[in-house]
Amino acid sequence: GAVVSQHPSRVICKSGTSVKIECRSLDFQATTMFWYRQFPKQSLMLMATSNEGSKATYEQGVEKDKFLINHASLTLSTLTVTSAHPEDSSFYICSASVGGGKLAGTTDTQYFGPGTRLTVL
Amino acid sequence: RKEVEQDPGPFNVPEGATVAFNCTYSNSASQSFFWYRQDCRKEPKLLMSVYSSGNEDGRFTAQLNRASQYISLLIRDSKLSDSATYLCVVKEGGKLIFGQGTELSVKP
Repeated sequence: GAVVSQHPSRVICKSGTSVKIECRSLDFQATTMFWYRQFPKQSLMLMATSNEGSKATYEQGVEKDKFLINHASLTLSTLTVTSAHPEDSSFYICSASVGGGKLAGTTDTQYFGPGTRLTVL
Repeated sequence: RKEVEQDPGPFNVPEGATVAFNCTYSNSASQSFFWYRQDCRKEPKLLMSVYSSGNEDGRFTAQLNRASQYISLLIRDSKLSDSATYLCVVKEGGKLIFGQGTELSVKP
């Protein structure tokens, strides 16, 4: 089956530092990758959608200058949390899709990575 | 109003019980519907898609009522391993919209 990895799985950093999270599709080429954030006891919230070779589309309320997304290849997308603060502490999850997730009624599935738990001190 | 609403629970049930989860969604143009399962501190995993005709996968039955914008999941003969958070998910314009999740705890 389709496998998506994330690295690191857990990171603890000091306030003000930047943290990079990698998302890789291991056995397929992902046209589109999605980045989500989940706070404790809350639902996953989509942060942004990225297509290989183009700029990411951010959801309303998500600062694009704070959450830098690079989708350099069909198997790798990175999320950089710049100048992290304690309120950025969260569970960050990526997913990858072959068809961009836009095809209703198809097996255009999003495959989720295992998540990265970020703690900012 | 949230786009996808679920009763957060927790639902505490004994092994062997039947439990039902409900979910409502606000956008009538939503395209596809799913139930995901999320274990503590893990990523969500697709449990099953939901179709208007209703669909069953072993002990799990999902129903969709488009007119009422309502989705349900029924779990029969609950197992200890069913303990998790169940997420109602709606696809709109290629994006997955997640409900808050309903926590299920199955006790011996």
